[in-house]
Amino acid sequence: NAGVTQTPKFQVLKTGQSMTLQCAQDMNHNSMYWYRQDPGMGLRLIYYSASEGTTDKGEVPNGYNVSRLNKREFSLRLESAAPSQTSVYFCASSAYGEDEQFFGPGTRLTVL
Amino acid sequence: AQSVTQLGSHVSVSEGALVLLRCNYSSSVPPYLFWYVQYPNQGLQLLLKYTSAATLVKGINGFEAEFKKSETSFHLTKPSAHMSDAAEYFCAVSDRSKSTFGDGTTLTVKP
Repeated sequence: NAGVTQTPKFQVLKTGQSMTLQCAQDMNHNSMYWYRQDPGMGLRLIYYSASEGTTDKGEVPNGYNVSRLNKREFSLRLESAAPSQTSVYFCASSAYGEDEQFFGPGTRLTVL
Repeated sequence: AQSVTQLGSHVSVSEGALVLLRCNYSSSVPPYLFWYVQYPNQGLQLLLKYTSAATLVKGINGFEAEFKKSETSFHLTKPSAHMSDAAEYFCAVSDRSKSTFGDGTTLTVKP
């Protein structure tokens, strides 16, 4: 089992560029999540998907879009990157919303 | 609405000393509570979870936490710190659909 995988591991963008972060899990989990982690601010939820076909906004959704492609995959898109989106992005999954979450290794994104 | 407050962004202890990391929560429903650990350049890993069974929860690596409803607390303890415990620790509360994380506490272990 690979668990939760994320691609890419590192990315540098220029302001205004777009990109998609990919996430996949092989644990047959229903719920999937995207977080950003900034120094001193813990993890902030961007979007989550409680089940295939549903997505909901989290605490900091502005500037992002998501797609729950199927039960395994949950992608995060930045349409027009801004320096304020420089962060480490984590994808996570859980069997259900109340269960422990399993995290991917993260994507370090820098927007110049 | 739910929230988590971790008291102390940095905690330093000597090897062999007691580790105490504090977490207070608020939740409009009976909470599910978690402690996660993050080592440098890695994702978070579950240490332990409380799901309304026993109030004293034992986790991995000798850590445990006690749920105290009257104090809305879920503090993490370990009797004797080891150098390998140096990491960042996050408390989280779940409302059944998603979790809210605290800002984290960085634990330093001095030799």
